[in-house]
Amino acid sequence: DIQMTQSPSSLSSSVGDRVTITCHASQDISNYLNWYQQKPGRAPKLLIYDASKLETGVPSRFRGSGSGTDFTLNISSLQPEDIATYYCQQYENLPYTFGQGTKLEIK
Amino acid sequence: QVQLQESGPRLVKPSETLSLTCTVSGGSISGFYWSWIRQPPGKGLEWIGFYSGKTSYNPSLQSRVTISVDTSTNQLSLRLRSVTAADTALYYCARQGGGTFSSWGQGTLVTVSS
Repeated sequence: DIQMTQSPSSLSSSVGDRVTITCHASQDISNYLNWYQQKPGRAPKLLIYDASKLETGVPSRFRGSGSGTDFTLNISSLQPEDIATYYCQQYENLPYTFGQGTKLEIK
Repeated sequence: QVQLQESGPRLVKPSETLSLTCTVSGGSISGFYWSWIRQPPGKGLEWIGFYSGKTSYNPSLQSRVTISVDTSTNQLSLRLRSVTAADTALYYCARQGGGTFSSWGQGTLVTVSS
């Protein structure tokens, strides 16, 4: 299985800050990488697909980048509604696997 | 817009079979890939398997899981045999395009306990 490792596991930032979450794959996954946002008590929601493509309706402050084994999710200006846990997911190989999640909190 | 709704027993006894249904509305279940994904309380996400006319399962669960589709009722089903407490989780169904989970149900919590 391809292992997905996110860092940090948790993060506390202020409104308006730029936030960066990284995801490392245990082998080359090209750009077969998605990012999801999960708010408390809710199902995950697709934010970014194919490493850098913004899902329809997702605010432009979210940006994904990377290829190969290292990927980044950036939030350009943190908003209160961005409080959630963020997961990366690879689909280069079965089984699909997720990172362990990054919990984002407001300072 | 497609909507997914999971249903089924919330409590299952150890060694028994967990059975869940996902009802799809707002679109046909035919012609898409459909997955089950689970999340133990307070933990991360684990892909269980998908149905696309054929099935593919996570090797970690393959010996115990069956996913099927009933096109007449627009429903996706999950059966997980010989459950233990480690199978306690929030179970989601999701529609996928390629390997991307674009639409999710709200999830249903299943507890394995005697």
